[in-house]
Amino acid sequence: GESVGLHLPTLSVQEGDNSIINCAYSNSASDYFIWYKQESGKGPQFIIDIRSNMDKRQGQRVTVLLNKTVKHLSLQIAATQPGDSAVYFCAEKKSNFGNEKLTFGTGTRLTIIP
Amino acid sequence: IAGITQAPTSQILAAGRRMTLRCTQDMRHNAMYWYRQDLGLGLRLIHYSNTAGTTGKGEVPDGYSVSRANTDDFPLTLASAVPSQTSVYFCASSEGTSVNEQFFGPGTRLTVL
Repeated sequence: GESVGLHLPTLSVQEGDNSIINCAYSNSASDYFIWYKQESGKGPQFIIDIRSNMDKRQGQRVTVLLNKTVKHLSLQIAATQPGDSAVYFCAEKKSNFGNEKLTFGTGTRLTIIP
Repeated sequence: IAGITQAPTSQILAAGRRMTLRCTQDMRHNAMYWYRQDLGLGLRLIHYSNTAGTTGKGEVPDGYSVSRANTDDFPLTLASAVPSQTSVYFCASSEGTSVNEQFFGPGTRLTVL
């Protein structure tokens, strides 16, 4: 069967350091990969996406890297701040006869150490 | 502030009872979604609607029904609740045909006893 998001469940990072959150996927047919952030008590929030024919995409303080050879996706957060504490989910977008759906991974909890 | 509202915030429900979770968006998004979030399982799609008047089944639709009478509202109904439906439910919407950026509501925590 298909799967996405083989995450480490938790990651602790010193404030100011860079964070790297990893995700593995198995479905090579996905045309987009997406990262979401979920703060405690809130709904998930879109961070950034990357098309499957790209290797890298940068946003504000975040970079997503896609390695299709090993089916690996990572989210890098520069100069981690306390507000970055959250659960991070990777997701893949699949199209099926014109219907597009997101399949989410199980998430990684990022804790910032002051 | 534009966005998605969900009601109730939380609910404790006896097994066998009927329950409707409400979801309203004011962004005029075409597509809306219902997910459930369980510890260790992430978000799983229950039902979706690409536009008003249409609905479709997601990954875990059994025991749930939805309707989309207009653009703004997308209620989720549990006809006869069971304890395995204890979860946090999130409604989301997306603009046009792009599903990558979905806007989520604050969630409803449902406990079925």
